[in-house]
Amino acid sequence: QQPVQSPQAVILREGEDAVINCSSSKALYSVHWYRQKHGEAPVFLMILLKGGEQKGHEKISASFNEKKQQSSLYLTASQLSYSGTYFCGTPGSGNTGKLIFGQGTTLQVKP
Amino acid sequence: ETGVTQSPTHLIKTRGQQVTLRCSSQSGHNTVSWYQQALGQGPQFIFQYYREEENGRGNFPPRFSGLQFPNYSSELNVNALELDDSALYLCASRTDLTNYGYTFGSGTRLTVV
Repeated sequence: QQPVQSPQAVILREGEDAVINCSSSKALYSVHWYRQKHGEAPVFLMILLKGGEQKGHEKISASFNEKKQQSSLYLTASQLSYSGTYFCGTPGSGNTGKLIFGQGTTLQVKP
Repeated sequence: ETGVTQSPTHLIKTRGQQVTLRCSSQSGHNTVSWYQQALGQGPQFIFQYYREEENGRGNFPPRFSGLQFPNYSSELNVNALELDDSALYLCASRTDLTNYGYTFGSGTRLTVV
């Protein structure tokens, strides 16, 4: 039930764009995205909800395709601060708020 | 907002010992979850507490237990430590609203030798 993320790693130059994908084998009604820098706590980026509503607080966009059971995170004009490991999280069974995280995508932005 | 704080930041224990990890959640966050993160992996759900009662558990044995207190603090207890328990343990809290994200603490790095 663990979502699958792709690619596993990305290296970019400042100003370049990147897309990180998250696919699930089961129906989704929401997807969370987090970024974790080395040695730090994961930081909430965005939640995408069934029906198209999204909640987030950073200038990073994302899409959520319920039929394809996948979400994509779009990082445009990347900055050095975007470096880190990105995780998608999908709800587990039951209505407990449990999240099942993907294995992560490591993004490195170089000057 | 004061964020989520965890203590200690690092800990070394011997196999077979018991350990208690602590977490102080943001005020108003009635839901707290604990995750185990192995090196290079995504966080794995251990369990979740809502208003001081466990309301969800992952695939972890009973020697992993927890408590949540009325003052928004919580703890994770692990008995009979095994070498494979070495990992980063993350605490995450959230409001009652399920469509909002979690606020994570920086974690406790546990090493079992």
